[in-house]
Amino acid sequence: DTGVSQNPRHKITKRGQNVTFRCDPISEHNRLYWYRQTLGQGPEFLTYFQNEAQLEKSRLLSDRFSAERPKGSFSTLEIQRTEQGDSAMYLCASSLAGDTGELFFGEGSRLTVL
Amino acid sequence: AQSVTQLGSHVSVSEGALVLLRCNYSSSVPPYLFWYVQYPNQGLQLLLKYTSAATLVKGINGFEAEFKKSETSFHLTKPSAHMSDAAEYFCAVYMNAGGGADGLTFGKGTHLIIQP
Repeated sequence: DTGVSQNPRHKITKRGQNVTFRCDPISEHNRLYWYRQTLGQGPEFLTYFQNEAQLEKSRLLSDRFSAERPKGSFSTLEIQRTEQGDSAMYLCASSLAGDTGELFFGEGSRLTVL
Repeated sequence: AQSVTQLGSHVSVSEGALVLLRCNYSSSVPPYLFWYVQYPNQGLQLLLKYTSAATLVKGINGFEAEFKKSETSFHLTKPSAHMSDAAEYFCAVYMNAGGGADGLTFGKGTHLIIQP
């Protein structure tokens, strides 16, 4: 039984660099979500996909953030020109459409921007 | 808009004592409610969920929660705390059961500390 997998688990980068995170959802799940979690806060919704369609992206924090799910399976979250304020845990979750809202989370990718 | 408020950013109890973590929700329609637990450097794990069936919901690790519509609350309890319960607990609400765009909306979390 494979759960949601995220890579890399940790990323340290210098300000101004681009970073990309990958999420592999549970195979039969057609919905995929990205959240950001900063210290002492709950997860904050960023965007979500149903299959390959990105159905909500207005909550992405700025135009430096973008996400893709090209074949409806894995997804990537890219942050361009990183800033120190981007330092956070980026969580991916998946679910079945029409389900009761239960999300299955990966272990997260922690970003540190120096 | 849907939201949840968790009362108390930190709760400390003695091992063997009752655990009570408070959550109040705001929703214009009957919500689905969740409690998740997060251990250090890990993702979130579902403890239990309320989806309009029984108002008293039992979850994993001996936790349970009661949905009280009149109080708009969904407090999490456990009769006897164990050292392994030390973690961050998040209450979350999901309003659009038919497929809402936002998934879950989370509270800020409550850090549970277990004193030996």
